[in-house]
Amino acid sequence: GQNIDQPTEMTATEGAIVQINCTYQTSGFNGLFWYQQHAGEAPTFLSYNVLDGLEEKGRFSSFLSRSKGYSYLLLKELQMKDSASYLCAVRRNTGGFKTIFGAGTRLFVKA
Amino acid sequence: DTEVTQTPKHLVMGMTNKKSLKCEQHMGHRAMYWYKQKAKKPPELMFVYSYEKLSINESVPSRFSPECPNSSLLNLHLHALQPEDSALYLCASSQEGLAGVGEQYFGPGTRLTVT
Repeated sequence: GQNIDQPTEMTATEGAIVQINCTYQTSGFNGLFWYQQHAGEAPTFLSYNVLDGLEEKGRFSSFLSRSKGYSYLLLKELQMKDSASYLCAVRRNTGGFKTIFGAGTRLFVKA
Repeated sequence: DTEVTQTPKHLVMGMTNKKSLKCEQHMGHRAMYWYKQKAKKPPELMFVYSYEKLSINESVPSRFSPECPNSSLLNLHLHALQPEDSALYLCASSQEGLAGVGEQYFGPGTRLTVT
């Protein structure tokens, strides 16, 4: 089976930096995605890691350690519009590619 | 065009009705997905189509019946649903295999209410 854990909620201040952690246990690991989902909207792709290390994309960075089953999403220079749920998702190759989503972390950005 | 479209946006149906949800993409993606999402929960995978063939069925009840008429279209046929099936139904598509990262593009969803 698989298990994906991330904090339920986080609060941060506008302009600050926040790190959202995700730990996972799975077989057939084939990559880890981060998606952003605003309330009432569809998820949108933020980042992808399949090898260990840091991927940077503007204000967003994502890190992966496969040996530790650990990833984090780093958001810099927080803006009010970053208030959303952040979903950690693991793709498995089980004879077909299957992506399983974590429960998501609801981020509240306050002024 | 990086858009996935879904119709209808909202659907209210009785437990004896038959209805269909539709999804369309023109990105040339060969993998398409149906997810079910309840409020404040993550999307739950229902079905995966790869090259128009059903590759994954996550033990979904037979009252949900997927169909992939061609590489751009994905349908979900609904029959004899239960009130607990009320949810947001999301369609997504992605490139298949080694053609890219494989990130999924989601449609806006159909908000389904079963009465």
